Amino acid sequence: EVQLVESGGGLVKPGGSLRLSCAASGFTFSSYSMNWVRQAPGKGLEWVSSISSSSSYIYYADSVKGRFTISRDNAKNSLYLQMNSLRAEDTAVYYCARDRGSGFSFGYWGQGTLVTVSS
Amino acid sequence: QSALTQPASVSGSPGQSITISCTGTSSDVGSYNLVSWYQQHPGKAPKLMIYEVSKRPSGVSNRFSGSKSGNTASLTISGLQAEDEADYYCCSYAGSSTSSYVFGTGTKVTVL
Repeated sequence: EVQLVESGGGLVKPGGSLRLSCAASGFTFSSYSMNWVRQAPGKGLEWVSSISSSSSYIYYADSVKGRFTISRDNAKNSLYLQMNSLRAEDTAVYYCARDRGSGFSFGYWGQGTLVTVSS
Repeated sequence: QSALTQPASVSGSPGQSITISCTGTSSDVGSYNLVSWYQQHPGKAPKLMIYEVSKRPSGVSNRFSGSKSGNTASLTISGLQAEDEADYYCCSYAGSSTSSYVFGTGTKVTVL
């Protein structure tokens, strides 16, 4: 069974940093692209970033480019999101999502971790 | 990249069919047959319902179907059931030279 478990969320001040982690199990992690998708309270879904299976290809939404860094450690079956220069508008539940397999859709999701940016 | 446009709400009675539209541009929905749909119940993670415009993942009811015409994709739920009441989001691939994926604004489906 595919399992994705996010951690690392919490309360941080504007301008601060936070690192999210996503522990994967139940599949061959090194074979799949991975993604971060966020959802502000009461709002819709927003794609944040994607990383290919070997980290060769990395993409970011314009809203986080230059501030967030996605990475992965295939030996540890883990996905990360380093978030710097955080803003109030980054407040959201952050979901880790696995590529379905053929790409271009998010087939499996974690339960999410809440990041709150507030002074 | 602007969000894809969905109606804020759609409702129907049990057993009826409803359709949710998802309008994008020639740079996203219109350029790729890579539209997916997600169902989200309150407080839960999204669930993939349709991928590549019209394909259903294993385990998803065949009451859910997808289609696309030009810059607009659609999700149809037939034989509406109480458990279908949820938020639904479309998503389109938008190419690797820009923000790669764009989600829709979301539609609240209410079963009357």
